Amino acid sequence: GQNIDQPTEMTATEGAIVQINCTYQTSGFNGLFWYQQHAGEAPTFLSYNVLDGLEEKGRFSSFLSRSKGYSYLLLKELQMKDSASYLCAVRERDSNYQLIWGAGTKLIIKP
Amino acid sequence: DGGITQSPKYLFRKEGQNVTLSCEQNLNHDAMYWYRQDPGQGLRLIYYSQIVNDFQKGDIAEGYSVSREKKESFPLTVTSAQKNPTAFYLCASSTILGLHNQPQHFGDGTRLSIL
Repeated sequence: GQNIDQPTEMTATEGAIVQINCTYQTSGFNGLFWYQQHAGEAPTFLSYNVLDGLEEKGRFSSFLSRSKGYSYLLLKELQMKDSASYLCAVRERDSNYQLIWGAGTKLIIKP
Repeated sequence: DGGITQSPKYLFRKEGQNVTLSCEQNLNHDAMYWYRQDPGQGLRLIYYSQIVNDFQKGDIAEGYSVSREKKESFPLTVTSAQKNPTAFYLCASSTILGLHNQPQHFGDGTRLSIL
């Protein structure tokens, strides 16, 4: 069945690096998305992976291993504004290409 | 600027009442979606539409209805049959369903509560 797991909450220090993991079990993998969501606001798109490896985009990078059903989002040089929830979503071919969403990881940045 | 507009931002529903949430996009996207977000859970798909005058049920369609009479608009009605409607409702849109790296873009959401 469909299952996406992320840690519920993480804490990190301003200026540091943090890695948010996402593991998944889905039918017909067709890509993985990471979104950022500030409390009470809309999710905004961060990154997309469909092939194994690392995608880098400024301070944010995302990694995918399809054989392990595993992805991570790496945030460098953390800023206070990075305090938000980070959502992992997998697109499933067998679900008419719909996104299956994890519950999100709440990231708390401390000074 | 192109984007997705949801209204109202906050909505209160009385017992036995139907309420309609508005979603409008000017991104010229073909596909539109409605999600429900509850604390501690991932987004759950209510309905989606790939083309005007056509839509499909998502995982939790019971107690909801939609229409897609125009490309730009995809309103969601929460009917009295939905016994637990209190949630944050998010509308999204994207280019052709499942096309490569095209992400879904979200509106700012509507928070629905029961009076």
